[in-house]
Amino acid sequence: DTAVSQTPKYLVTQMGNDKSIKCEQNLGHDTMYWYKQDSKKFLKIMFSYNNKELIINETVPNRFSPKSPDKAHLNLHINSLELGDSAVYFCASSQPPPGQHTGELFFGEGSRLTVL
Amino acid sequence: QKEVEQDPGPLSVPEGAIVSLNCTYSNSAFQYFMWYRQYSRKGPELLMYTYSSGNKEDGRFTAQVDKSSKYISLFIRDSQPSDSATYLCAKYSNYQLIWGAGTKLIIKP
Repeated sequence: DTAVSQTPKYLVTQMGNDKSIKCEQNLGHDTMYWYKQDSKKFLKIMFSYNNKELIINETVPNRFSPKSPDKAHLNLHINSLELGDSAVYFCASSQPPPGQHTGELFFGEGSRLTVL
Repeated sequence: QKEVEQDPGPLSVPEGAIVSLNCTYSNSAFQYFMWYRQYSRKGPELLMYTYSSGNKEDGRFTAQVDKSSKYISLFIRDSQPSDSATYLCAKYSNYQLIWGAGTKLIIKP
């Protein structure tokens, strides 16, 4: 039974389109994240939600909008896609220990976005 | 200068060799360190974490932190082809997880 699942796994689209990636976790964690991994494997945090509340909002174009309908789901919507948005987007969840914002991260398998 | 620096490799070694993977970090605020392993087309998974200086061992894997030189190392003994993956180091500090770029490791049979 998959702990963190995200869909779709692959996404190929044209510049200017709008697309969404969905994420669900069944670990009962309070905190969920979106990361972007570029071609050089560098992981960059984009957003973090704790119990549906946005707690980390890094410098990301406002074309990217996260949405957390409940603490088990965190979706990512991207408007007006650009070539530079091509990357693998990872959803993750964690249950931070008291006084911390991050515990062990459990990642999904990634959504590979290609913008043509 | 990035807070966590890691050589991207690739590092190619023969099966059975001892592998040494390294990161350097800046900023000496209280922190702990993690190593994640990422197989091709998969998400990263936690391999080991350590809070303090010294060594932590788990089977064939040993994590080492040298706070005086700001060096983090992961040693893999008796390396196997199944260890071929990208290894990412990360530092937790000031309520954030700071990642290295990852080192691609290839174990040749």
